[in-house]
Amino acid sequence: EAGVAQSPRYKIIEKRQSVAFWCNPISGHATLYWYQQILGQGPKLLIQFQNNGVVDDSQLPKDRFSAERLKGVDSTLKIQPAKLEDSAVYLCASSLGGERTEAFFGQGTRLTVV
Amino acid sequence: AQSVAQPEDQVNVAEGNPLTVKCTYSVSGNPYLFWYVQYPNRGLQFLLKYITGDNLVKGSYGFEAEFNKSQTSFHLKKPSALVSDSALYFCAVRDGGATNKLIFGTGTLLAVQP
Repeated sequence: EAGVAQSPRYKIIEKRQSVAFWCNPISGHATLYWYQQILGQGPKLLIQFQNNGVVDDSQLPKDRFSAERLKGVDSTLKIQPAKLEDSAVYLCASSLGGERTEAFFGQGTRLTVV
Repeated sequence: AQSVAQPEDQVNVAEGNPLTVKCTYSVSGNPYLFWYVQYPNRGLQFLLKYITGDNLVKGSYGFEAEFNKSQTSFHLKKPSALVSDSALYFCAVRDGGATNKLIFGTGTLLAVQP
């Protein structure tokens, strides 16, 4: 079974530039998550989709971050404009859905904002 | 609101000795608890979960975890530590509510000395 695919693996941008991350979840997984992991901290949930609908985006900085999940499959996370404090690893995960299911993670995208 | 706490930033243990990584949780409904491991520059890997039933849950790589409802804890254990177990460990909780958000703790670095 193929895992969660993310690209790119690494990205370096200057502050105020924009950046986009892509995620392809495991086939058949209804729930998709984007997490932000700052060095030395636990993953922070940014947004959670159920199929192509948003079920939680309470910690997404909506003035600069946006995410979409078209057709309930792939997802993109965008930052515009980026700030220095956005430097982090952005993790995508997916699960079958429902409270009893574990999430499976991609390898993440390491973003450095300079 | 749901939350999970990992009180130890780092746990040191000698190879061959038993290890325990602590986790406590707070939810309003039924807790669904998970442990993940993260190796350097990698995404999170699922280890085990507690959904219902037996309080002792067995998972990957010889790890197990004990659910204690009265103490609201879900500690990760292994009878005999290996140097290769050295990694960052995260506890996570789902609150069986409307969104089924998956929330992570801050992580515990496990260092196993030869």
